[in-house]
Amino acid sequence: DAKTTQPPSMDCAEGRAANLPCNHSTISGNEYVYWYRQIHSQGPQYIIHGLKNNETNEMASLIITEDRKSSTLILPHATLRDTAVYYCIAAHPGRTYKYIFGTGTRLKVLA
Amino acid sequence: NAGVTQTPKFQVLKTGQSMTLQCAQDMNHNSMYWYRQDPGMGLRLIYYSASEGTTDKGEVPNGYNVSRLNKREFSLRLESAAPSQTSVYFCASSADRRNTEAFFGQGTRLTVV
Repeated sequence: DAKTTQPPSMDCAEGRAANLPCNHSTISGNEYVYWYRQIHSQGPQYIIHGLKNNETNEMASLIITEDRKSSTLILPHATLRDTAVYYCIAAHPGRTYKYIFGTGTRLKVLA
Repeated sequence: NAGVTQTPKFQVLKTGQSMTLQCAQDMNHNSMYWYRQDPGMGLRLIYYSASEGTTDKGEVPNGYNVSRLNKREFSLRLESAAPSQTSVYFCASSADRRNTEAFFGQGTRLTVV
């Protein structure tokens, strides 16, 4: 499965949108982009996933570029509780065992 | 709605001791996983089970054994603990169908002295 590259850390002001980028230039045609987050040292929590269309749910929006080589996770109104490590994973659906967790992006939401 | 439950939450072992980490899920998922997470690093897969009765090695299986006891339960055993196995261990499960995600437990923090 394709590897992903994320910035190691980002800050965001509370109430503002947090835009977390991810590069997955070697993604294959049927690999999805998944986002998880890990708050403090808890177990990772699923956020959203998509193939090529933009996706939105109650937690976030996922914007995937037309060439699918990169994506952006958007938290529209970040709160202090969104402070976490965010992981971007490229994987075939139904192949969770192929997930590659890098070191993610440590997002700090500032009051 | 418990999800994925791991026991114990914390454990301290002496080098050479053995122990079993327990994991149970109540979502009727076929697939279950064990990961370890070392400080400042992402999760690495130790073993997984795609269905009851089957297990497969992941990225870092050495020093561990697993048992898929039934569809609900997947245990991880350390036969002779070593300081290098000091880590946080996460269990996860998934339905592994299209458009499904993985659910993780809250972790077991293991220290081997």
